[in-house]
Amino acid sequence: SAVISQKPSRDICQRGTSLTIQCQVDSQVTMMFWYRQQPGQSLTLIATANQGSEATYESGFVIDKFPISRPNLTFSTLTVSNMSPEDSSIYLCSTTGSGEKLFFGSGTQLSVL
Amino acid sequence: GNSVTQMEGPVTLSEEAFLTINCTYTATGYPSLFWYVQYPGEGLQLLLKATKADDKGSNKGFEATYRKETTSFHLEKGSVQVSDSAVYFCALKTSYDKVIFGPGTSLSVIP
Repeated sequence: SAVISQKPSRDICQRGTSLTIQCQVDSQVTMMFWYRQQPGQSLTLIATANQGSEATYESGFVIDKFPISRPNLTFSTLTVSNMSPEDSSIYLCSTTGSGEKLFFGSGTQLSVL
Repeated sequence: GNSVTQMEGPVTLSEEAFLTINCTYTATGYPSLFWYVQYPGEGLQLLLKATKADDKGSNKGFEATYRKETTSFHLEKGSVQVSDSAVYFCALKTSYDKVIFGPGTSLSVIP
């Protein structure tokens, strides 16, 4: 299993600013994933973060907007840059650990004014 | 590419009714399949899973069978309860360990 501590849990930000979300896992994991869940919607995969290499972004997401760091096997950050109201969403980090099940952080609820 | 399609909701059922939520997928290779549930105001929880063809996942009275020939993983429960009201997400895990979620199906069970 894997326990993920995610912070901040929520934030209200002004448009044009940036927010960095941090996730700490209680064990070493190879891959971490960042998702976005917009109100009333499903989870959309933003990118996959492997330690020691650049993150792999899904279609529709770019590094300039969502830069990701993965400095070691227990930690990752996602930055939401130059925010607009359309970025208001819940952002989730996750990992499968060593098994099939996906473990999630508690989420960051972001509101952009 | 990889994708998951679910029946559109919302679904409203009376207590003790039979539930089916359809899920079909498109994937390269042999994905693992999952159903996740999100109760109001909570995060996603794994409900059940199946890792190969003809496997049946089950939990809390819910069942789903991995059908490779029809690329389906339909969720069923024989008798729903009010406490089953939630959003249900079908998902697949690719050979690269990415988990792709379907759009979700909202279920409301009325007494």
